[in-house]
Amino acid sequence: SAVISQKPSRDICQRGTSLTIQCQVDSQVTMMFWYRQQPGQSLTLIATANQGSEATYESGFVIDKFPISRPNLTFSTLTVSNMSPEDSSIYLCSVEGGSGEPYNEQFFGPGTRLTVL
Amino acid sequence: EDQVTQSPEALRLQEGESSSLNCSYTVSGLRGLFWYRQDPGKGPEFLFTLYSAGEEKEKERLKATLTKKESFLHITAPKPEDSATYLCAVQAVDDYKLSFGAGTTVTVRA
Repeated sequence: SAVISQKPSRDICQRGTSLTIQCQVDSQVTMMFWYRQQPGQSLTLIATANQGSEATYESGFVIDKFPISRPNLTFSTLTVSNMSPEDSSIYLCSVEGGSGEPYNEQFFGPGTRLTVL
Repeated sequence: EDQVTQSPEALRLQEGESSSLNCSYTVSGLRGLFWYRQDPGKGPEFLFTLYSAGEEKEKERLKATLTKKESFLHITAPKPEDSATYLCAVQAVDDYKLSFGAGTTVTVRA
């Protein structure tokens, strides 16, 4: 299984500022995903990030608010821009691993807990 | 649109009291159904992927089963360390994203 680390693990930010979250994987992966988990709720996909191409955003999420970089096969960043208290959530990156179809597994990082004041 | 409904929302068990969690789903075509365990303040921990109706997988005290409409996660003789939120997610054949249910929070008392 893939080992995923995220930085920072938590942060408290002022409204109107931006925060960049880093995701590092211990092996090369094609697809990386960014999810949001709002307080007391389940996970919602923000976007899919493939190396060498623009990220694909889900309905309700836009690049200006959540710009994503994917410079290589082991690293990605998610920026939460112009933050408001509604952005307070846990942000999680995940990767798809396994040895090919049908051995499909998705692994998650430990998450970044963001509080916006 | 893919939909995942988990029940019950919360489950309180006595140590050793076996029970089952339900995950009902609708998806255009199922690529995989995933079960995760999530502890407070942590990311989801992968448990199983099920691919076709009739499939079963086991891990320690956990057993997952799959039908065409739902999946069950059976917890046999649970221990307090099995206390967590269990999440179910589906993946469609034409997509890689996971659509999650709201989860079942399991509390096991000693």
